[in-house]
Amino acid sequence: DAGVIQSPRHEVTEMGQEVTLRCKPISGHNSLFWYRQTMMRGLELLIYFNNNVPIDDSGMPEDRFSAKMPNASFSTLKIQPSEPRDSAVYFCATTRDTETQYFGPGTRLLVL
Amino acid sequence: AQSVTQPDIHITVSEGASLELRCNYSYGATPYLFWYVQSPGQGLQLLLKYFSGDTLVQGIKGFEAEFKRSQSSFNLRKPSVHWSDAAEYFCAVAPFSGGYNKLIFGAGTRLAVHP
Repeated sequence: DAGVIQSPRHEVTEMGQEVTLRCKPISGHNSLFWYRQTMMRGLELLIYFNNNVPIDDSGMPEDRFSAKMPNASFSTLKIQPSEPRDSAVYFCATTRDTETQYFGPGTRLLVL
Repeated sequence: AQSVTQPDIHITVSEGASLELRCNYSYGATPYLFWYVQSPGQGLQLLLKYFSGDTLVQGIKGFEAEFKRSQSSFNLRKPSVHWSDAAEYFCAVAPFSGGYNKLIFGAGTRLAVHP
């Protein structure tokens, strides 16, 4: 199995630009989580999908952030407009039902 | 509110020495418990997990952890550390509520290994 796939692995952009992060879950996994990791706040859950439906988005920082899961094989996290404080590593994790979460390699985002 | 405390931010050990990383959680019931490891520039890899049953759980790479309900702890141990174990270690809990496992992470412990 290829594991959780995230793209891009690195992203450098300028403030105000739109950023789209992508995640392909492990085949057969029906739950998907987006996390953000920063030095100041550690690992934070942003949003959780179950069977492609957003269940808990209480961690999404503000309206500039949005996430979608149009099908079982793909999810996006979009930031529009981006700000320097959004610089972080963004992880996608997936699981089958309520079992162990498997993490992708992350996307390292730098907003200048 | 649920929380996870990893008291040690940095730990340095010599190669071959034993290791114990501490983790304490705050939750009314027994949560699901996890240890993850993150190597530099990499994602998180699951080392081991505890859901129920035997309180001493074995994981990958020679790690083990012991759940102690009375102390609300889930400490990670390894009898002999290898240089390749240098990484950051995260304890996490998942209070099973709302029908899914919402992981709450500790701040992490960064392990350095001296040759």
